[in-house]
Order: sequence, then C-alpha cells, then structure tokens
Amino acid sequence: GAVVSQHPSWVICKSGTSVKIECRSLDFQATTMFWYRQFPKQSLMLMATSNEGSKATYEQGVEKDKFLINHASLTLSTLTVTSAHPEDSSFYICSATLRRTGIDTEAFFGQGTRLTVV
Amino acid sequence: GNSVTQMEGPVTLSEEAFLTINCTYTATGYPSLFWYVQYPGEGLQLLLKATKADDKGSNKGFEATYRKETTSFHLEKGSVQVSDSAVYFCALPPRTRAGGTSYGKLTFGQGTILTVHP
Repeated sequence: GAVVSQHPSWVICKSGTSVKIECRSLDFQATTMFWYRQFPKQSLMLMATSNEGSKATYEQGVEKDKFLINHASLTLSTLTVTSAHPEDSSFYICSATLRRTGIDTEAFFGQGTRLTVV
Repeated sequence: GNSVTQMEGPVTLSEEAFLTINCTYTATGYPSLFWYVQYPGEGLQLLLKATKADDKGSNKGFEATYRKETTSFHLEKGSVQVSDSAVYFCALPPRTRAGGTSYGKLTFGQGTILTVHP
C-alpha cells in the first residue's frame, strides 16, 4: 500500500515556541491531506483538510492562526503549532488520499507525532 | 450528519479467545465502512473494509460484514493473539456535496482498546 511518513515521531518543546510537523506521501501524489489530533484514550478529531496549492479548511473550533497548515506540493503538508502551550500537548496524525479518475481512494495514515510542551 | 458508535472498552481477553467489537453507524445512503487499527505509539492502519451491503471484509484473521438492515459492521476474530493488542476504530466516509464519496475525511468511532494476555 501507499506510504505516508510523518516527522518527527516525537518532540518536546518549551512553552511559547513553535513546532513544525511534516507529513509526506512517499510513493504517491496526495491530492488531499488531513490533520487529526488525538487525546489520550480518545478518538481522532479532525483538525483541518489541506489541498495542494490552496488554503486549508479548518474544522469548527480549531484556531487557524495557531495551527498553520501549508500544502506546498503534492507530496508534502506541514502543520506548525505556533506559540505552543502545555494544553497543545497531544498526538497529531496526518493522513493522505490520492485521487484516481476523480474518486478519492482510501486514506493512508502517518505514524503520528507525539508533542509535549513543557 | 454521519456518526459511528463503537462498543465501549477496554476489552481484555486471553490468547485464543473469540473477539467481537460492535460498531453501528448512522449515515445517508450506503457508504463504505472501514476498520482501522492503531498499535501502541503508531498511526492508524487500514485493517479491512467493505464497500457495499452484505460485503465481508477480512484481513489477518479479522472479519466484518456490512449489514445494512442493522446498520452494523461488527469486527470479529476467532482466536486472538497477544500481538493483536491495539486500539480498533470503526470509520465511515462522508458524502460530498456532489454525491461522491471522499474517503479521506473519515468519521471515527470512539475506539476500543483491546488487550490480549498470554
């Protein structure tokens, strides 16, 4: 199956700093990428949808100025957590889909990034 | 909108026991249905899927049958192993405005933690 690589796998940062998480589709071009947040022992919460070359679409309640998403190419999307605070500590997961003949295929997930803000 | 309800966990079993994790859904029409698995510290992997009513998805000894009469997609395995310990998510995609299906923007159930003891 298709491979999505997320980097870094874990990161610890100080309050007030910014952290960038990368999501790459390694062997296919991803038309659309999704960013999820997962709290301990809870399900995934969709944060935003990013399409290559256009602005991301954020879910209700997600601060777009805090969680900056850039999808500059068909193989790379980045999520930047700006001015991080301890409450931003979470597990962030990206997924990517590819489109064949106008239909989105299944989603392929990265391995996730554990962010800890101290 | 779409919703997915999963059997609450956690579920603890002994090796070789029979596993059932219930999943019911609410959706317009007959969407595809998915089971994803998340091993400790990792992202999600597609375990199996079914694209139409009465389809049976299967993989790694796991099975799930798409039952439109009961709007269910229960996950089963006849004999679990310690290596099956993970979190299992039932999921379905939304319908786009044009009536097509976008597989990337999934609606997840709350997840069921499975622990298998030797």
